[in-house]
Amino acid sequence: DQQVKQNSPSLSVQEGRISILNCDYTNSMFDYFLWYKKYPAEGPTFLISISSIKDKNEDGRFTVFLNKSAKHLSLHIVPSQPGDSAVYFCAASADKLIFGTGTRLQVFP
Amino acid sequence: KAGVTQTPRYLIKTRGQQVTLSCSPISGHRSVSWYQQTPGQGLQFLFEYFSETQRNKGNFPGRFSGRQFSNSRSEMNVSTLELGDSALYLCASREAGFQETQYFGPGTRLLVL
Repeated sequence: DQQVKQNSPSLSVQEGRISILNCDYTNSMFDYFLWYKKYPAEGPTFLISISSIKDKNEDGRFTVFLNKSAKHLSLHIVPSQPGDSAVYFCAASADKLIFGTGTRLQVFP
Repeated sequence: KAGVTQTPRYLIKTRGQQVTLSCSPISGHRSVSWYQQTPGQGLQFLFEYFSETQRNKGNFPGRFSGRQFSNSRSEMNVSTLELGDSALYLCASREAGFQETQYFGPGTRLLVL
């Protein structure tokens, strides 16, 4: 069973606009959520995290929102830049990290 | 601090062989986790070691095993390799707690022929 789902396999956004990546989870025991960015043949790079006691966390151009009642989190990137083009994974943690299947973001000029 | 390092970066094996992958965590990190990434399955959790003890395990067959040494370095072993074991194997480290961020190494690309 897929406990963490990223239903959009790809997203294309124009440079300067907002990118919104979504993630849904099913396990209410998850208490920590993270977003990672990944380039091909490299390990994931940590972007931003949020604890289940919060509903928003911001770090520069990146903001993560958590809606516990809907079991939904999202990553907002504003403004989007071409260098943001990569695969983005959300992950949820109770005692281990469970990853979504990823969303490929392409930012075009 | 140096990041997580993994060796080797690339490996080619044939079916039936075994393989050992190595991971050196960030200095001071006592937890090491292993993941398998394949195109169809995404990142799948294999196991986590903390202070030389396996703390958690994913849903992989017993052919996949690991260990951790007193200096927190970890090795992962896959015996009787199958074609489906071809994947990117990623190691991640964190200081200790479950709510701490995991930092990933570059991975070892394993190809089984």
